[in-house]
Amino acid sequence: GAGVSQTPSNKVTEKGKYVELRCDPISGHTALYWYRQSLGQGPEFLIYFQGTGAADDSGLPNDRFFAVRPEGSVSTLKIQRTERGDSAVYLCASSLGGGWETQYFGPGTRLLVL
Amino acid sequence: ELKVEQNPLFLSMQEGKNYTIYCNYSTTSDRLYWYRQDPGKSLESLFVLLSNGAVKQEGRLMASLDTKARLSTLHITAAVHDLSATYFCAALNFGNEKLTFGTGTRLTIIP
Repeated sequence: GAGVSQTPSNKVTEKGKYVELRCDPISGHTALYWYRQSLGQGPEFLIYFQGTGAADDSGLPNDRFFAVRPEGSVSTLKIQRTERGDSAVYLCASSLGGGWETQYFGPGTRLLVL
Repeated sequence: ELKVEQNPLFLSMQEGKNYTIYCNYSTTSDRLYWYRQDPGKSLESLFVLLSNGAVKQEGRLMASLDTKARLSTLHITAAVHDLSATYFCAALNFGNEKLTFGTGTRLTIIP
């Protein structure tokens, strides 16, 4: 079956610009997660959705980062006034019901801020 | 705060040899996960370890969990080239949905 998909696969932007990254989870998965992976590091948690609501956004680094999941399926991660330090791979994952269920990861969006 | 450490960070080994990757975590964890990541690719789930003494095996990989020692191991038996990848362990506490990842072990199998 279809896995988690993310678009775009690569995004190059200039410092100060606004970007949106999209995640389409596995059909039927109610839990959705965003992580950020810097080069040579493990993924770091950003935000977790259960259904339409953000159940835990404690990993968002600052108020330039925001994410939505209006219909409980597709999610968009939004970054305002991008900075060079935002360059990373942004990974989305979904799981059937959250909790300890295995999280399945998408291919990621590689963001480069010039 | 839950912290996860892996060692070694880099591992180069010959085909046919055995080796073990270690994953330590700082506080009580309810679940321990192992993922594989190929260069430029996303993470592939390998194992979920649910309780103390849990052991899971798939092919040449075997993962175990010792919750008292807060240690998980990933053992590679008779390594083959296609096992070359970065391996991550991640811990999760029930009620706190986020995975906390280690820094990864970059494994290179030399023919």
